[in-house]
Amino acid sequence: EAQVTQNPRYLITVTGKKLTVTCSQNMNHEYMSWYRQDPGLGLRQIYYSMNVEVTDKGDVPEGYKVSRKEKRNFPLILESPSPNQTSLYFCASVKQGTGTGELFFGEGSRLTVL
Amino acid sequence: RKEVEQDPGPFNVPEGATVAFNCTYSNSASQSFFWYRQDCRKEPKLLMSVYSSGNEDGRFTAQLNRASQYISLLIRDSKLSDSATYLCVVRANAGKSTFGDGTTLTVKP
Repeated sequence: EAQVTQNPRYLITVTGKKLTVTCSQNMNHEYMSWYRQDPGLGLRQIYYSMNVEVTDKGDVPEGYKVSRKEKRNFPLILESPSPNQTSLYFCASVKQGTGTGELFFGEGSRLTVL
Repeated sequence: RKEVEQDPGPFNVPEGATVAFNCTYSNSASQSFFWYRQDCRKEPKLLMSVYSSGNEDGRFTAQLNRASQYISLLIRDSKLSDSATYLCVVRANAGKSTFGDGTTLTVKP
């Protein structure tokens, strides 16, 4: 089954404790992206990747890192999480290499930083 | 001003009603346009791509007006199952997608 898989789905952590949210897609998509969704602010793009070893900042990259060592994986790293990073996070991938096609989303990861 | 703006609603309509959502965007270089549906904070799912010529899928019709920089979604004969949040998505280049905040629709019996 074609899908985007995120882990963990739910996480409660404390300020400053490094964490990684993994994202994997099995559709051989070149483009992948991370979003966060907050009430009243909608979905905002954190980082995206056009291909392996190619990443770029979205609208809200502060406090996050990403890597794209393999085509299928695009982990989101919070080196020192803070309470304002409490949010619902979505990973997505796109079928077309140009990134103009349909976004396929993972089921989301709900993160709480205390 | 936000790059992509939607009326947040909520829209509360009876079953069978026709409802229309609009979305405006500010970047005239925008290239791709989509409507997504999101249920109860689950992942968004593509409802329709929006083409310049307009497109229809069953009870759903999407239109794009590049001159006025807005896109629309029309839902005819609303069903209870149409209750959801509808997100407008605009892509200006290959990498960056901008989402509207969403319009909430509740269809009541």
